[in-house]
Amino acid sequence: DSGVTQTPKHLITATGQRVTLRCSPRSGDLSVYWYQQSLDQGLQFLIQYYNGEERAKGNILERFSAQQFPDLHSELNLSSLELGDSALYFCASSPWTGDDTEAFFGQGTRLTVV
Amino acid sequence: GQNIDQPTEMTATEGAIVQINCTYQTSGFNGLFWYQQHAGEAPTFLSYNVLDGLEEKGRFSSFLSRSKGYSYLLLKELQMKDSASYLCAVREDSNYQLIWGAGTKLIIKP
Repeated sequence: DSGVTQTPKHLITATGQRVTLRCSPRSGDLSVYWYQQSLDQGLQFLIQYYNGEERAKGNILERFSAQQFPDLHSELNLSSLELGDSALYFCASSPWTGDDTEAFFGQGTRLTVV
Repeated sequence: GQNIDQPTEMTATEGAIVQINCTYQTSGFNGLFWYQQHAGEAPTFLSYNVLDGLEEKGRFSSFLSRSKGYSYLLLKELQMKDSASYLCAVREDSNYQLIWGAGTKLIIKP
């Protein structure tokens, strides 16, 4: 158990809908990262938050947005969903934004858009 | 541009040794990570290299050559449970972001 909690584990929704994925980082970790992993693909970095502030953006679509709350949990909002958005969405956390420790991953949310 | 290359798939025999290579071209370098990912599960950290040389950790070792933009992960005494994808990731200087390779799927045969 990495200490990073993601909910829900599975989500099935229709095209055009909007969903919210939630991530609770390890206790004390200030940095949260969101990744998308499509079937048999590598991890695609979406966005990073550090202590409530957006730190870096990757290949995140305009239909997607995220935020980190004062209690450090984070939410990833996906709207106007398309079939191609079906993927595993991982959240990871680390203590800082630039230290030498690795990021710890949650178990992921499997999103299926039908 | 940024590019990380790994073989897509490798096959090895239980009890043997396998080396998974990773080459990278990034605008900066501040460390290279190897992660293991079983199908449908979260990646888990294996190793971190920031200086040239070999880091050994039990059955797994990782090597880095910064001048060549090259790393490898060496797995010894392979076990069936080592069947997984192995992800190479580079942390760039500029923003400490991890750039990920697509992963190498390792298949272990009895």
